[in-house]
Amino acid sequence: KNQVEQSPQSLIILEGKNCTLQCNYTVSPFSNLRWYKQDTGRGPVSLTIMTFSENTKSNGRYTATLDADTKQSSLHITASQLSDSASYICVVIGTGFQKLVFGTGTRLLVSP
Amino acid sequence: DTGVSQNPRHKITKRGQNVTFRCDPISEHNRLYWYRQTLGQGPEFLTYFQNEAQLEKSRLLSDRFSAERPKGSFSTLEIQRTEQGDSAMYLCASRKTGGARNTEAFFGQGTRLTVV
Repeated sequence: KNQVEQSPQSLIILEGKNCTLQCNYTVSPFSNLRWYKQDTGRGPVSLTIMTFSENTKSNGRYTATLDADTKQSSLHITASQLSDSASYICVVIGTGFQKLVFGTGTRLLVSP
Repeated sequence: DTGVSQNPRHKITKRGQNVTFRCDPISEHNRLYWYRQTLGQGPEFLTYFQNEAQLEKSRLLSDRFSAERPKGSFSTLEIQRTEQGDSAMYLCASRKTGGARNTEAFFGQGTRLTVV
């Protein structure tokens, strides 16, 4: 079964601190991996898309890494802001099937 | 605003009633997805369309659920004889395929259904 697992389930950090979110997947064969940010009550918004040939990709204070051999990805948030409080969802697309397979997300709370 | 529009944003209905949601994707996007999300969980796949063709349906999509995309543009998701367990956020996403595999999928704001 194709699965995407994320950790931690929830995280509280102080404003200005850094944090790293983890994503492990079993989707195979793999096409690409995406990180989405979802504010409460709103639809997910894409942060980054990574193909199997990409190891690192940055989008402002967000940096995603991908190890296609170990099927692991991480999302690093630098100098967190209160507006970073949201759920961060890892999504994987496999080759040959076109569903977006979602992880259950990490709920991040940035505290002042 | 991602360009994907969902209506209504909120729907409260009595158990046993039928409801219909609409999704207007980004105009040139040929692929359209429906997902269901309950509180604290990631979205679960329901179905997707390639233009007007419904290519896959999840086992979550019971016979009370039906989705259409008659002209390959907007899509509707209908739930008949609603049950309290249908209460969730229903998300629509669209994507353009045919070229690179890593094209972005854009989500609507969702329709939050509450069955009382």
